[in-house]
Amino acid sequence: EADIYQTPRYLVIGTGKKITLECSQTMGHDKMYWYQQDPGMELHLIHYSYGVNSTEKGDLSSESTVSRIRTEHFPLTLESARPSHTSQYLCASTLAGGPSGELFFGEGSRLTVL
Amino acid sequence: AQSVTQLDSQVPVFEEAPVELRCNYSSSVSVYLFWYVQYPNQGLQLLLKYLSGSTLVKGINGFEAEFNKSQTSFHLRKPSVHISDTAEYFCAVSWAAGNKLTFGGGTRVLVKP
Repeated sequence: EADIYQTPRYLVIGTGKKITLECSQTMGHDKMYWYQQDPGMELHLIHYSYGVNSTEKGDLSSESTVSRIRTEHFPLTLESARPSHTSQYLCASTLAGGPSGELFFGEGSRLTVL
Repeated sequence: AQSVTQLDSQVPVFEEAPVELRCNYSSSVSVYLFWYVQYPNQGLQLLLKYLSGSTLVKGINGFEAEFNKSQTSFHLRKPSVHISDTAEYFCAVSWAAGNKLTFGGGTRVLVKP
């Protein structure tokens, strides 16, 4: 069973607020990812990290930012939330050098911006 | 650009009937193939994967998939579905060892009694 945790699971917040979605894993994985999942299911990679102090933007442009100060922790921040940010955000991790592409996912953070 | 296509966005199926979910990808060079399942209000979990070897791959919960290099396909099958198989299913491809995954658009399976 995967040990990757996301908080909060659900968040309803007003426009203009700053939010941070937390993601932690206890598996010692080097690679971590953030995906945005639309209501229509499609997954879009918005950020990834291959290790401490390494962050890269994904395939879909996002106004969010990420940091990777510790191996186990990969938080995502929105400085000023807008209704267009309403979505589900999924965090994932994998072991560098492990079976290619086998990701372990958290349960997701569903964000609603009013 | 590399792409993954799941041809069916929704598949309704009766309980105990077979189901096949189709997945095609854009290039067959050094691919690693995956199927993930997402149950309601949960993250994704791995159903099965193809890295090399036998083209028929068996996964959890009675699912299997077949890698077809000439048709660049990796279709998922189950001979007899249960109500509990109601979920969203994602095909994913990595075109190089350690590279990022590209996901298909997903297929929603609704199993009816």
